[in-house]
Amino acid sequence: EAGVAQSPRYKIIEKRQSVAFWCNPISGHATLYWYQQILGQGPKLLIQFQNNGVVDDSQLPKDRFSAERLKGVDSTLKIQPAKLEDSAVYLCASSPRLTSGMDEQFFGPGTRLTVL
Amino acid sequence: TQLLEQSPQFLSIQEGENLTVYCNSSSVFSSLQWYRQEPGEGPVLLVTVVTGGEVKKLKRLTFQFGDARKDSSLHITAAQPGDTGLYLCAGALGGYKLSFGAGTTVTVRA
Repeated sequence: EAGVAQSPRYKIIEKRQSVAFWCNPISGHATLYWYQQILGQGPKLLIQFQNNGVVDDSQLPKDRFSAERLKGVDSTLKIQPAKLEDSAVYLCASSPRLTSGMDEQFFGPGTRLTVL
Repeated sequence: TQLLEQSPQFLSIQEGENLTVYCNSSSVFSSLQWYRQEPGEGPVLLVTVVTGGEVKKLKRLTFQFGDARKDSSLHITAAQPGDTGLYLCAGALGGYKLSFGAGTTVTVRA
């Protein structure tokens, strides 16, 4: 079974530029998550989708971050404009259903973003 | 501030030694998970604990959930270099949303 795919793996941009990340979850998984992991910290949930609807985006900085999951399959996360503090690894994860907290989340390898 | 506090932050031991890492909170969790993350990869689930006082064993790894469901520990017996990684605990407060701790970086020297 193919895992969660993410691209690009690395991205370096200058502040105020825009960037987009792509995620393809495990086939058939209804729930998709985007996390931000800053160096030395654990992953922080940015947004959670159930199929193509948003379940939770309470920690998404909506003035600069946006995400969509068209057709309930793959997803893109965009930052516009980027700030220095956005430097982090952006992880995408998926699970078969709306997790109860006991379900396993399957993570992709992440995209490491460096903002100069 | 992190909802879950993990300690120690870093741990370096020799192959064959034992180690324990801790995950503590003032909140009660309906479930708690432990993940291991290797450099350049995403976290991988090791175990989920649900019942207060629960102990689960996975080969040389032993996981314990506190009686009050506020804390957990991970014990590794006879550590091997392959156990090297970032160990993350993550708790669900009753819904579906997981909160992660900052992790413990474990290095096992050959």
